[in-house]
Amino acid sequence: DTEVTQTPKHLVMGMTNKKSLKCEQHMGHRAMYWYKQKAKKPPELMFVYSYEKLSINESVPSRFSPECPNSSLLNLHLHALQPEDSALYLCASSQDERVRKAFFGQGTRLTVV
Amino acid sequence: DQQVKQNSPSLSVQEGRISILNCDYTNSMFDYFLWYKKYPAEGPTFLISISSIKDKNEDGRFTVFLNKSAKHLSLHIVPSQPGDSAVYFCAASRRGTSYDKVIFGPGTSLSVIP
Repeated sequence: DTEVTQTPKHLVMGMTNKKSLKCEQHMGHRAMYWYKQKAKKPPELMFVYSYEKLSINESVPSRFSPECPNSSLLNLHLHALQPEDSALYLCASSQDERVRKAFFGQGTRLTVV
Repeated sequence: DQQVKQNSPSLSVQEGRISILNCDYTNSMFDYFLWYKKYPAEGPTFLISISSIKDKNEDGRFTVFLNKSAKHLSLHIVPSQPGDSAVYFCAASRRGTSYDKVIFGPGTSLSVIP
C-alpha cells in the first residue's frame, strides 16, 4: 500500500464555518506534511509532523490548526477562513523527515465563500 | 524570490520524440533534487531524484542530468508517450538541522501529441 488518502476531495465552506481535512497513510511513514497549492503555483509547505509531533510550522495563520492523532492520521482543522485561503490542500508522507522523497495524496480542493 | 525556476510553463512534443524539461536553481547549498509528475485532480507523484554528488541518474525512460556549476538540471523522457502528458515539478532541498525542506518550482505542463 503506497497510498496517501485524503478526505474530502472537495469542500465548500463559509467564512464562519469550522471544518476538518483528513489524511491517512499506512506505509509506516513517520513524517507527514500539509502543503497548500494555489492555481498555477507550486506546492508550498505549511506543516511538518515528525513522529506525531509538530516539527515545522511555516508561519501559517492560526486559523489553520494541524493535529496528528496517531502515526497514520493527520488532520487540518479550519476555522474562520478567508476567500484567499481557497486552494488545493495536499497531504504527504515520507519515511521520516530526513527522507526527501514524499508520497502525496490527491488533495482536497477547498473553496471558501 | 523563486529559488527553483522552471522557465517554460508549457512544452509540446510529438509521441516517440524526446521531451526535455529544464530547471534552474539559485541556492548553491541545495544537495538533492527531485522531479514530480502531477495529473489533474491528483497529487504529485515522485518520478526520479538525484544527489548533488552525481551528474546523472537514469530510471527507464527517464534521465535526470545535473550541472552544478550552472545550477541547472534537466529531465529527459525518451521516448515520450501520450500518458506522459502532465505537469512536471522540479524540486530541490538542502540538509537542515532538523528538517530537509523541499522547495518546488512552478511546474512545466508537458503535452505529448499522438
